[in-house]
Amino acid sequence: AQSVSQHNHHVILSEAASLELGCNYSYGGTVNLFWYVQYPGQHLQLLLKYFSGDPLVKGIKGFEAEFIKSKFSFNLRKPSVQWSDTAEYFCAVNARGATNKLIFGTGTLLAVQP
Amino acid sequence: NAGVTQTPKFQVLKTGQSMTLQCAQDMNHNSMYWYRQDPGMGLRLIYYSASEGTTDKGEVPNGYNVSRLNKREFSLRLESAAPSQTSVYFCASSEPRGAGYNEQFFGPGTRLTVL
Repeated sequence: AQSVSQHNHHVILSEAASLELGCNYSYGGTVNLFWYVQYPGQHLQLLLKYFSGDPLVKGIKGFEAEFIKSKFSFNLRKPSVQWSDTAEYFCAVNARGATNKLIFGTGTLLAVQP
Repeated sequence: NAGVTQTPKFQVLKTGQSMTLQCAQDMNHNSMYWYRQDPGMGLRLIYYSASEGTTDKGEVPNGYNVSRLNKREFSLRLESAAPSQTSVYFCASSEPRGAGYNEQFFGPGTRLTVL
């Protein structure tokens, strides 16, 4: 069965610090990969997605993620975080050729201190 | 475009009561989903509907039923609420395309407390 692991459950950073959130998945076939963000009190919004092509994907608000197939990873990065990036971040995987279900990780809560 | 809407936003139930959570989307999507979100557990799929007229169980279907009323609407029913069903419930929709493309769009959520 597919699964998604986010090893950082809670991350605290100061403004301007660099961010990297880990995401690993277990599935041997071809996958589509997503990062969603949930700001306090709001619903999930898509941050970025990977389907094919360049493994370095750029999303909204200066976020990017790199798909490393050999490591089954899709880590999220931002060179300089802002207080407004305080949110919960979810990695999700969809296996191609399977049903249209997304498997979510458990989330990483990011708190950025001003 | 309202996207995905959910009602109610908040609900408090007593154990044993029943209720229906409503979800509607105006993006003409074929697929719709119900998730629950619990601290430290991420989002878990309760039920989904790949297209109008079909529904399937997800990861945690026990204690829930669903109805895909039409292409726009997908409701979630708790027949006899239990404290373990205290959670935030999200509805989502998507239009799956070739190669498994499945970007889901989420509603604002319903915060349910069962006493």
